[in-house]
Amino acid sequence: EDQVTQSPEALRLQEGESSSLNCSYTVSGLRGLFWYRQDPGKGPEFLFTLYSAGEEKEKERLKATLTKKESFLHITAPKPEDSATYLCAVQAKSGGSNYKLTFGKGTLLTVNP
Amino acid sequence: DTGVSQNPRHKITKRGQNVTFRCDPISEHNRLYWYRQTLGQGPEFLTYFQNEAQLEKSRLLSDRFSAERPKGSFSTLEIQRTEQGDSAMYLCASSPWDRQEQYFGPGTRLTVT
Repeated sequence: EDQVTQSPEALRLQEGESSSLNCSYTVSGLRGLFWYRQDPGKGPEFLFTLYSAGEEKEKERLKATLTKKESFLHITAPKPEDSATYLCAVQAKSGGSNYKLTFGKGTLLTVNP
Repeated sequence: DTGVSQNPRHKITKRGQNVTFRCDPISEHNRLYWYRQTLGQGPEFLTYFQNEAQLEKSRLLSDRFSAERPKGSFSTLEIQRTEQGDSAMYLCASSPWDRQEQYFGPGTRLTVT
C-alpha cells in the first residue's frame, strides 16, 4: 500500500528564516510526486509535480526536490503570506488507469513577521 | 479557466437524512476525482471518473455513497442515511488527459448533527 509521511507536523519560522519540509514515501512505482498548498477552509492549490529522482522545480520562494525515497520543499526567506498547510502526495504507476493521489497529513507552516 | 466549482459550500444536515453535492470540473478535463478530508488529515481518495465511466471506488465508499457523472461533465456525490462520521470536507478535483496534476475545488463542508 502506498504511504506518505510528512515531517515536521508543524513548523514555526520567523520572516526571512529559510527551512525545509520533508516528505518520505513508499510506492510501488512512482508515476509522480505532487506538492500542494492548502489554506484554512479551502481546497488544495497545486504547486509542483516531480517525476524522477534528481528533478527540481522552483516557484518564487519555493523549491521542490526529489530522491528515490523522499522529497523536500525548501522555503527561502519566507514571508507571512507563505503560512499554510503544505501537502505532499504520490501517484503510483500500479494504479493502471486510476490516477488517484495518496496524501500525507501535511505540514502546518506559520511564518511570523 | 474558471476553476473547479463545488456546491453547496456548506451543508448541515441531521443524522439519517440524504445529501447531494455537485462538482463542475474545469471544462475539457476528462478525469474527475472525489476525496474526503477530515481535520488534521490529508485528502483521502473516494472515487474516480474518466469521462462518464466510474473506474474505481475506494473501500472508504460504503454502499450509502453513490457518485455519478452523466455525459462526462459535472458530477454528483450522494450520501444516503447520513451518520455523524460522515462529517468532513468533500473535495472534487479534475485533470486533463495529458497531465497528471489535479486541480481541486473549494470543497463542500458537511456537518451531520
